[in-house]
Amino acid sequence: AQSVTQPDIHITVSEGASLELRCNYSYGATPYLFWYVQSPGQGLQLLLKYFSGDTLVQGIKGFEAEFKRSQSSFNLRKPSVHWSDAAEYFCAVGTNNAGNMLTFGGGTRLMVKP
Amino acid sequence: GAGVSQSPSNKVTEKGKDVELRCDPISGHTALYWYRQSLGQGLEFLIYFQGNSAPDKSGLPSDRFSAERTGGSVSTLTIQRTQQEDSAVYLCASSRANYGYTFGSGTRLTVV
Repeated sequence: AQSVTQPDIHITVSEGASLELRCNYSYGATPYLFWYVQSPGQGLQLLLKYFSGDTLVQGIKGFEAEFKRSQSSFNLRKPSVHWSDAAEYFCAVGTNNAGNMLTFGGGTRLMVKP
Repeated sequence: GAGVSQSPSNKVTEKGKDVELRCDPISGHTALYWYRQSLGQGLEFLIYFQGNSAPDKSGLPSDRFSAERTGGSVSTLTIQRTQQEDSAVYLCASSRANYGYTFGSGTRLTVV
């Protein structure tokens, strides 16, 4: 069975600083990988996804993520964080396609200092 | 509809009462999922519907929980004899192949 680990429960960065949120997965074959963001009191919004091809994927709101098979990682990055990026971020792995269940990591709560 | 719609957005119920949570997925999405998110926790899978196949109920925490999906569209999650530990946000999502989930805004259930 697949699993996802987000090692950092909380991260605080200053506005304008760069950001990297870590995600490690465990799965025997090539995974489908996703990052979601959840603002307080809201549902989850898809930021970006990786299925195949270019290992650097671009998403909404200026986010990108890089799939590194050798490290079983799919870290999320943003070059300059805005105060509105404060939220909870979830990494998820799927086994086949989006019709199958996704397994989510425990989430990373991002706080942004002015 | 344009997005996944969940109702009610908030529900307060007394311990021991039954509750029904509704999810209206995006039109054309064949897959529908229910997750539970307890305070400060990640997402806990509950149940998954795919087309006309038998649902995957492996995540339901007890036999007090059940769900159905009528006509391949609207789904209802029912919790019988609610307990305080059932208090959580219940999230519904739908998808079609290779596009990831689209989540609803959730139902916040509080059992008092």
